[in-house]
Amino acid sequence: EVHLVESGGGLVQPGGSLRLSCAASGFTFNNYWMSWVRQAPGKGLEWVANIKEDGRDKYYVDSVQGRFTISRDNAKNSLYLQMNSLGAEDTAVYYCARDAWSTGWGDRFDSWGQGILVSVSS
Amino acid sequence: IQMTQSPSSLSASVGDSVTITCRASQSISSYLNWYQQTPGKAPKLLVYAASTLQTGVPSRFSGDGYGTDFSLTISSLQPEDFATYYCQQSYSTPLFTFGPGTKVEIK
Repeated sequence: EVHLVESGGGLVQPGGSLRLSCAASGFTFNNYWMSWVRQAPGKGLEWVANIKEDGRDKYYVDSVQGRFTISRDNAKNSLYLQMNSLGAEDTAVYYCARDAWSTGWGDRFDSWGQGILVSVSS
Repeated sequence: IQMTQSPSSLSASVGDSVTITCRASQSISSYLNWYQQTPGKAPKLLVYAASTLQTGVPSRFSGDGYGTDFSLTISSLQPEDFATYYCQQSYSTPLFTFGPGTKVEIK
């Protein structure tokens, strides 16, 4: 069974930094792109970033480009999100999600972690 | 690519059939996914590639559409179906966008 568990969230002051982790199990981690998706309180889902299987290609939503860095350690079956220069607008539950791509069917997020709350406030 | 959904919310009764629509700002072929989210829980994939049911999803859920207009239909609503539903385009991979969501509430 696929299992994704986020950790590292919490309260941080504006301008601060935080590093999220996602521990993966139950599947061959290095065979999948992985993403971070966030959800501000009472709001909808926003895709944040993703990373290729080998970690060489990374993509970001414009609002976090230059501030967030996605990375992975395939030896540890782990995904990370380094978040710098945090602002109130980054307050959200952050989910890691597995991207199950297949030819003709495209990408879809078929497994999600339980989410971790990041609160940015003074 | 911008995604819109309508309605933003709806009220329905157990046993009703409901349809949610999703529109893309440009053609996305059939690269459209649907997710269900209940309060305090992670989203769950329901339908991918516009009309393919994810394994384990009840057959009362169905998806349709191509190009810019898509729909998710829930026939015979069950109590566990009251949730928020999101569409998501994967045409512009590896960049993705979600719709704003449709909340299905109990009448």
